[in-house]
Amino acid sequence: NAGVTQTPKFQVLKTGQSMTLQCAQDMNHNSMYWYRQDPGMGLRLIYYSASEGTTDKGEVPNGYNVSRLNKREFSLRLESAAPSQTSVYFCASRRDRGANQPQHFGDGTRLSIL
Amino acid sequence: SQELEQSPQSLIVQEGKNLTINCTSSKTLYGLYWYKQKYGEGLIFLMMLQKGGEEKSHEKITAKLDEKKQQSSLHITASQPSHAGIYLCGADRIYGGATNKLIFGTGTLLAVQP
Repeated sequence: NAGVTQTPKFQVLKTGQSMTLQCAQDMNHNSMYWYRQDPGMGLRLIYYSASEGTTDKGEVPNGYNVSRLNKREFSLRLESAAPSQTSVYFCASRRDRGANQPQHFGDGTRLSIL
Repeated sequence: SQELEQSPQSLIVQEGKNLTINCTSSKTLYGLYWYKQKYGEGLIFLMMLQKGGEEKSHEKITAKLDEKKQQSSLHITASQPSHAGIYLCGADRIYGGATNKLIFGTGTLLAVQP
């Protein structure tokens, strides 16, 4: 019963390097989300995909790109990593775009940019 | 200021004691979610409240949504070390016209001393 799976769990990058965070869900959910969590800032939405084939910017999209590869997978890419992107990244999914349904979260990716 | 305010920010209780965590919104709540997060892990969905006056329980944790739908409380009875963690409330907000996203409070850190 995997739910939402994120890889990798930890990563250290140098400034300017690129990488892709992977997320996959096995709940047949239509909507998927990427958040970052920082001390004192709470969880902030980076990008979301309301349904397969669509992606939209959230509150803090600068420096990131996403790809909704198929219904199961939603990846987050850092093209040129910056120290300000050091954070814990969470992927989440929910049944669809409507309200009154919970989002289900992965265990997170802890990313450090040196 | 935060749209969702949680209080207290942190709490230390003796095992066996009861405790309450509050979540107050500056807007009417239409979907209120409680999550728990342990260090190094993702957010675990606890409960969802939709209607004013609604109350739900899961094991020794009870959550209520007040009649005016602008505040929710989470009550833990006879706390145990396993209850330790960060408790986050989340609420639905329309975003971008295409999806509901969750906004979160900054969390309440709970420590339970044996």
